[in-house]
Amino acid sequence: AQTVTQSQPEMSVQEAETVTLSCTYDTSESNYYLFWYKQPPSRQMILVIRQEAYKQQNATENRFSVNFQKAAKSFSLKISDSQLGDTAMYFCAFMKLNTGTASKLTFGTGTRLQVTL
Amino acid sequence: DTGVSQDPRHKITKRGQNVTFRCDPISEHNRLYWYRQTLGQGPEFLTYFQNEAQLEKSRLLSDRFSAERPKGSFSTLEIQRTEQGDSAMYLCASSPGQTSKGYTFGSGTRLTVV
Repeated sequence: AQTVTQSQPEMSVQEAETVTLSCTYDTSESNYYLFWYKQPPSRQMILVIRQEAYKQQNATENRFSVNFQKAAKSFSLKISDSQLGDTAMYFCAFMKLNTGTASKLTFGTGTRLQVTL
Repeated sequence: DTGVSQDPRHKITKRGQNVTFRCDPISEHNRLYWYRQTLGQGPEFLTYFQNEAQLEKSRLLSDRFSAERPKGSFSTLEIQRTEQGDSAMYLCASSPGQTSKGYTFGSGTRLTVV
């Protein structure tokens, strides 16, 4: 079974600054996907960024980028130029590459990010 | 594309009552998932449909829980004889065949059992 650990329950960052959220995972799989989801106070979970484990290049999406260290099983999220709208719960999630059956997401417990003025 | 819709947004029920939640996925998505999220935790997988077929159920889904997806469109999740431990956010998500791109989640139904 896979496990995902987010060791930072809460973080705070000032507007326009950069913040990094940590995530580690444990798996015996070699092919998988990793995701960061954002859940604002309005509750809908929104996909922020995804990473294929077979790709060495770190994914980037505008102000969001990841540092994927496969050997260390680490997948951190960097948010640059933080904005007030980035205030939310952030969940790291793992998906095993699995054909023919459910592609389930295993989530961490989340990091609550507060962006302040 | 109006996203994934869930109804109701909130439900308060007395212990022992039955409740039913509805999820309308994105129309072209053939895969539908239910997750449960308790306070301070990440969502946990409950069940999965591909079209109308329920292909996988978690151990979390006790006999009091049943889910359906008639005609492969909307889905319902029913909880019979609710217990206080059922209080949680119930999230629905859908995806096309290529789930590696991630799901689209609905806003969830928050259930409170009193």
